[in-house]
Amino acid sequence: DAGVTQSPTHLIKTRGQHVTLRCSPISGHKSVSWYQQVLGQGPQFIFQYYEKEERGRGNFPDRFSARQFPNYSSELNVNALLLGDSALYLCASSPRPYSNQPQHFGDGTRLSIL
Amino acid sequence: DAKTTQPPSMDCAEGRAANLPCNHSTISGNEYVYWYRQIHSQGPQYIIHGLKNNETNEMASLIITEDRKSSTLILPHATLRDTAVYYCIVIEETSGSRLTFGEGTQLTVNP
Repeated sequence: DAGVTQSPTHLIKTRGQHVTLRCSPISGHKSVSWYQQVLGQGPQFIFQYYEKEERGRGNFPDRFSARQFPNYSSELNVNALLLGDSALYLCASSPRPYSNQPQHFGDGTRLSIL
Repeated sequence: DAKTTQPPSMDCAEGRAANLPCNHSTISGNEYVYWYRQIHSQGPQYIIHGLKNNETNEMASLIITEDRKSSTLILPHATLRDTAVYYCIVIEETSGSRLTFGEGTQLTVNP
C-alpha cells in the first residue's frame, strides 16, 4: 500500500515568492497534518485538517495557509517567502483525529529560499 | 513545550539491544506515550505507542514504569539501519493529532 506521498521533493524559491506544497494521505485516512522542520530541530506543527475543515493551527503567521480537498489530499501554501521559511515540510496522515491511532509521515518537501 | 526529556545522544553496538530512556514525569492519566524515529533525510517513522501497559511489535518494545513517569524503548537487536533520531512524545487523545516533538535522542549504532 502506498504511504503518504508529497510533491515536489525539492524546491528552490526566492524571497517574496509564494509556494504550494502537496500531500496525498494514505488511502482511507481522512486527517492530514502539516509540520515544518528547520535544520537541527524537531518538526513543529503547522496545521491539521479533517473532513476538509481546519481542526488545529500552530504558532505560524497568516502567510501560511492550507486546504483539504474532497479526496482528502491537501495543499500547504506559503506567501511572501522569507529566508527563515527554508525547511523540510512534512505531511502526516491518520484515519481521524481525537484517537490513539498514530500519524504516518511522508518524506517531506525540502524548500530552500534564496 | 515538549513534555518529555531524552538524552541527546546514545551509542550502541550492532547486534546488541538499544535501550532508549524517556522521562515524562508530568504525564496525566489520559496521555499516551508515542515513539517515532527519523532517519536522515526521511520523514519521521512511527514505531510504537502505549498508555500504561508494556507493548511489543515487530520493531520494538515499549516499557512504561508503573507510575508512568518514564518509559524505555527497546530495540532488541540493533542494526546499522537503526541509526536515527528517536523522539518520545506524550499526547492526549483529545488533543487531536498535534504532535509536539522535542530534541530527541541521536542513536548511533556502531559496527
